[in-house]
Amino acid sequence: KQEVTQIPAALSVPEGENLVLNCSFTDSAIYNLQWFRQDPGKGLTSLLLIQSSQREQTSGRLNASLDKSSGRSTLYIAASQPGDSATYLCAVLQGAQKLVFGQGTRLTINP
Amino acid sequence: KAGVTQTPRYLIKTRGQQVTLSCSPISGHRSVSWYQQTPGQGLQFLFEYFSETQRNKGNFPGRFSGRQFSNSRSEMNVSTLELGDSALYLCASSLEPSGEQYFGPGTRLTVT
Repeated sequence: KQEVTQIPAALSVPEGENLVLNCSFTDSAIYNLQWFRQDPGKGLTSLLLIQSSQREQTSGRLNASLDKSSGRSTLYIAASQPGDSATYLCAVLQGAQKLVFGQGTRLTINP
Repeated sequence: KAGVTQTPRYLIKTRGQQVTLSCSPISGHRSVSWYQQTPGQGLQFLFEYFSETQRNKGNFPGRFSGRQFSNSRSEMNVSTLELGDSALYLCASSLEPSGEQYFGPGTRLTVT
């Protein structure tokens, strides 16, 4: 059974810092890995999708890497801003469109 | 292009009642998935539909059911509601298998 773990559960940093969020999964038989952002009481916003054959993806200040063999992914956020405060979720796709989610990292950027 | 829409956004129901939630995927997307989000269990997969066929189902009791229509819109139904069914129900759509999934704003269900 696939298990996805995100560390840390919560993170608070001052504005402007670069930071890394971690995600690990137990079964490497995945189709892809997706990072999402969720604001309180809202739906999920897709940030980055990495296919299983890829090693990384970049979008603006965000960079996500994937090491399928070790079951790890990282989300790097450069020059953090208060607007980046949210919960970040990673999810792996297994089977017919079934995403398995981690518990998320609650990120707070202090002005 | 409009995103995934879900209706209603908020619902309050009483134990024992039933409820139907609706999801309209992004135009052209044929795969629709449903997830339940609670503070204790996080996000859990309910089921997925593609071209009106349920292809995958999560570990939920039979009180949870769904369907998909020919225009790809999907509904999920929960019968005999329990207090533990209170959650945010999220719908996602994707264009192709193993493609990027796009989520709607969710329906917040409160069971009293």
